[in-house]
Amino acid sequence: DAKTTQPNSMESNEEEPVHLPCNHSTISGTDYIHWYRQLPSQGPEYVIHGLTSNVNNRMASLAIAEDRKSSTLILHRATLRDAAVYYCILKFGNEKLTFGTGTRLTIIP
Amino acid sequence: DTGVSQNPRHKITKRGQNVTFRCDPISEHNRLYWYRQTLGQGPEFLTYFQNEAQLEKSRLLSDRFSAERPKGSFSTLEIQRTEQGDSAMYLCASSAAGGRPSYGYTFGSGTRLTVV
Repeated sequence: DAKTTQPNSMESNEEEPVHLPCNHSTISGTDYIHWYRQLPSQGPEYVIHGLTSNVNNRMASLAIAEDRKSSTLILHRATLRDAAVYYCILKFGNEKLTFGTGTRLTIIP
Repeated sequence: DTGVSQNPRHKITKRGQNVTFRCDPISEHNRLYWYRQTLGQGPEFLTYFQNEAQLEKSRLLSDRFSAERPKGSFSTLEIQRTEQGDSAMYLCASSAAGGRPSYGYTFGSGTRLTVV
């Protein structure tokens, strides 16, 4: 299985942008990059996914490096409700999602 | 559609008892997944169904665990002779289109099991 590497934890100030990095140096050409987040006492929530091009949606932006060996999830203006564990996952074909330990994001008021 | 529904939200049981959890996926989703999550860890895959067929089971799913998805709709996860090590959050998720890589999962809020 292709693996991802994320920092264990990050902090950010409220109302500032947050850049969450993910390294996936062994990514294959057909792996999609998925991001999920998990708020306390809830199930994971889909955030965004991409293959090669940068992607934007109402929740976040996903910036994918040209060589696809890394990606960055961007929260444009963090709020206290964005405090969660963020998971970067590679998805190949119709294989199931395999979660790592993610990045615990703390938002400082 | 109200998303993926899991019941009960919490379950406390005595060691050795049997427990059953239910998951109602999004109606048009043909894939249904079960995961288990312990404190400080990411969710661990247990098993998944495509329609009513159980296609994969993790080594984590011992003989005491059984999952069903009759008629490809809701699913149940049963744990027999519970042990304290079974205490965890049990998460259900569903996805469309046979789990294609461009499709995300929708998770329920989970069932928290405490074995005393």
